[in-house]
Amino acid sequence: ELKVEQNPLFLSMQEGKNYTIYCNYSTTSDRLYWYRQDPGKSLESLFVLLSNGAVKQEGRLMASLDTKARLSTLHITAAVHDLSATYFCAVESRETSGSRLTFGEGTQLTVNP
Amino acid sequence: DSGVTQTPKHLITATGQRVTLRCSPRSGDLSVYWYQQSLDQGLQFLIQYYNGEERAKGNILERFSAQQFPDLHSELNLSSLELGDSALYFCASSVLGGRPVGELFFGEGSRLTVL
Repeated sequence: ELKVEQNPLFLSMQEGKNYTIYCNYSTTSDRLYWYRQDPGKSLESLFVLLSNGAVKQEGRLMASLDTKARLSTLHITAAVHDLSATYFCAVESRETSGSRLTFGEGTQLTVNP
Repeated sequence: DSGVTQTPKHLITATGQRVTLRCSPRSGDLSVYWYQQSLDQGLQFLIQYYNGEERAKGNILERFSAQQFPDLHSELNLSSLELGDSALYFCASSVLGGRPVGELFFGEGSRLTVL
């Protein structure tokens, strides 16, 4: 069974600082997704990473995928308060009962002034 | 707005009851996925339908069932409800058929409270 682990689970950072969220997974996959969720809200797609070495950037967020290490990172540059949310990585896997996305536990990010 | 519509947004019911959650996917999307989000279990995949056919099954209890109709909307039926079924139930849609899954677009969720 695929296991997806994120760390840290909780992250409190100051505005203007940089930080990285890590997503490790246990079985082979070359498709990984990052989502953002605001409290009580839906999940919003941020990045789709479809191959080893894929790197995507949007504003202050950059995501990368290393399929050999089974690792994805979400790097935050010069954080601002609006980035406060919970970030999930999701790994695609093919199992006997069909393909699905397995989500990590989420990283709750708080950006303080 | 993702284009995925879920109703109802909130639902309060009693143990032993049955409820139906409804989802309309984005225009053009043929796949519907159901996820359950709770504090202790996180986001758990329940089931996927593609163009009316069940394609993938996750940790869905026998008390739960789902279907996708010819107009592509989907319903998740939860019966013999227990306190532990209280959660946020998300529907997501994708243009792909599930092999691969592709980017999922999530609805706002249906928050179920079982008292």
